[in-house]
Amino acid sequence: AQSVTQLGSHVSVSEGALVLLRCNYSSSVPPYLFWYVQYPNQGLQLLLKYTTGATLVKGINGFEAEFKKSETSFHLTKPSAHMSDAAEYFCAVRGSNYQLIWGAGTKLIIKP
Amino acid sequence: DAGVTQSPTHLIKTRGQQVTLRCSPKSGHDTVSWYQQALGQGPQFIFQYYEEEERQRGNFPDRFSGHQFPNYSSELNVNALLLGDSALYLCASSLGHTGELFFGEGSRLTVL
Repeated sequence: AQSVTQLGSHVSVSEGALVLLRCNYSSSVPPYLFWYVQYPNQGLQLLLKYTTGATLVKGINGFEAEFKKSETSFHLTKPSAHMSDAAEYFCAVRGSNYQLIWGAGTKLIIKP
Repeated sequence: DAGVTQSPTHLIKTRGQQVTLRCSPKSGHDTVSWYQQALGQGPQFIFQYYEEEERQRGNFPDRFSGHQFPNYSSELNVNALLLGDSALYLCASSLGHTGELFFGEGSRLTVL
């Protein structure tokens, strides 16, 4: 069975600093991995996804993530945080029924 | 091109009542999935509708039921509401059951 663990329910960084949000997964099959962002009182927006091919995936708003099979990780990064990045971020893996299995989310706080 | 739209955006019910939530999929999409997102948690898959039939179901009781109409829109019904049903209910549409999910902004249900 697939599962997702996001380390840190809250991450706080200064504006302009590196953003690193951690995600580890377990999957018995080659995983399809996703990062979504949820702004307050809004739905979920796809940031990026890994299916096959290049392990470094670039997404919207300057985010990228690297699939590391040996570490079963799919961490999300952004070189320089902006105030508008404050939101909750969810990592997900596609289950055997093609539905998404989600982590508990990480709330990103940006300090001015 | 309208995305996924959900109604109502907010509603308050009391224990034991019944609720109906509605979802219109993104133009061109034929599959609708419903998720429940409790406060501080990631979404949990409820069920998926395709060709007006429930194709897949998550670990939710029979109090949760749904319907898909010929125009691909969908309803989620919850009977005998419990306090624990308070959550954000998200609708996602896709083209086929393997397609990328696009989410609406959700319906926030509060059960008193």
